[in-house]
Amino acid sequence: AQSVTQPDIHITVSEGASLELRCNYSYGATPYLFWYVQSPGQGLQLLLKYFSGDTLVQGIKGFEAEFKRSQSSFNLRKPSVHWSDAAEYFCAVGRHSGGGADGLTFGKGTHLIIQP
Amino acid sequence: DADVTQTPRNRITKTGKRIMLECSQTKGHDRMYWYRQDPGLGLRLIYYSFDVKDINKGEISDGYSVSRQAQAKFSLSLESAIPNQTALYFCATSDSQRAGETQYFGPGTRLLVL
Repeated sequence: AQSVTQPDIHITVSEGASLELRCNYSYGATPYLFWYVQSPGQGLQLLLKYFSGDTLVQGIKGFEAEFKRSQSSFNLRKPSVHWSDAAEYFCAVGRHSGGGADGLTFGKGTHLIIQP
Repeated sequence: DADVTQTPRNRITKTGKRIMLECSQTKGHDRMYWYRQDPGLGLRLIYYSFDVKDINKGEISDGYSVSRQAQAKFSLSLESAIPNQTALYFCATSDSQRAGETQYFGPGTRLLVL
């Protein structure tokens, strides 16, 4: 069975500092990988995804992530965080049945706090 | 207008009551999903549907049922609500014809079972 681990429950970063959120996955085939962000009281917004091709993917709001098959990782990075980046971040792996994607398996999330 | 809408946005009910959560989408996607979110647990898949005639259980389907009334509508029912079904419920959609099949989420329904 597939699984996603986000080792950091909370991360505190100073505004303007760089950010890296960790994600490790377990999946028997080439995964579809996603990062979503959830702002307080909001739904989930897709930041970026990987499903093939270049292992460094660019997303919205200045985020990027790198797929490393050898490490089973898909870490999210941002060179300089803004106060508006404070949110909950979820990594997810897409499952596949014979008919295609049959749901996402999510990590438990990382809560990002931005210090002034 | 939002592409994926959920009604109601908030609901309080009592143990043993039947409740239905509704999801509608204007994205024209064929696949729809229901998840629940609990603090510290992330999101977990309850049911998913590939089309009107194809309904599948997710990892936590016990105590829930679903109905796909049309391609654009997917409802989640709690036949007899219990307190541990208190959670934030999300509907999502995806397009099977798009590579990398992104799921798009609705705003969520916050349910409290007393």
